[in-house]
Amino acid sequence: AQSVTQPDIHITVSEGASLELRCNYSYGATPYLFWYVQSPGQGLQLLLKYFSGDTLVQGIKGFEAEFKRSQSSFNLRKPSVHWSDAAEYFCAVGVGGSQGNLIFGKGTKLSVKP
Amino acid sequence: DGGITQSPKYLFRKEGQNVTLSCEQNLNHDAMYWYRQDPGQGLRLIYYSQIVNDFQKGDIAEGYSVSREKKESFPLTVTSAQKNPTAFYLCASSTTDSEVQYFGPGTRLTVT
Repeated sequence: AQSVTQPDIHITVSEGASLELRCNYSYGATPYLFWYVQSPGQGLQLLLKYFSGDTLVQGIKGFEAEFKRSQSSFNLRKPSVHWSDAAEYFCAVGVGGSQGNLIFGKGTKLSVKP
Repeated sequence: DGGITQSPKYLFRKEGQNVTLSCEQNLNHDAMYWYRQDPGQGLRLIYYSQIVNDFQKGDIAEGYSVSREKKESFPLTVTSAQKNPTAFYLCASSTTDSEVQYFGPGTRLTVT
């Protein structure tokens, strides 16, 4: 069965430090992969997506993610974190076909220290 | 301004009452989705609809019902049969040829 694992429930980084959020997926075919961000009490905003091609994808707000098929991973990175990046981050895999459904990880909450 | 609207933002109900959550989109998307979010659980799919007058159950459909009479609207009813209805509910939409889903701001339902 398809699944998404985000191993870190909560991460704290200092403002200006680099960030990497981990995501591992289980899916039999070539996956569609997504990262979404959610501020408290808000909906989800798409940060970036991978469908095919270049395995390093750029997103909004200075985020990037790298697809590594051999490791079944799609980790999210940012070289320098800003206080406004504090939020919850969700990795998702697209099941595809006629359903077009997404399977989400349980999320990683990011806190930023001044 | 295109987007997805969910209303109300906060909703309070007594146990045993049905309640309907609204979701409207003006993105001209064919597909719409309802998710439930609980702390530490991520998002779980309740129902989805790929086209008007058709919808399918997701992973946790028990105790919920939907309708899709118009392309723009996909209301969700939380029935009294739902054992633990207190949660944050998110509506999303997409085109049928894209995996990208766009989300509304959510409705927080509290049942006491």
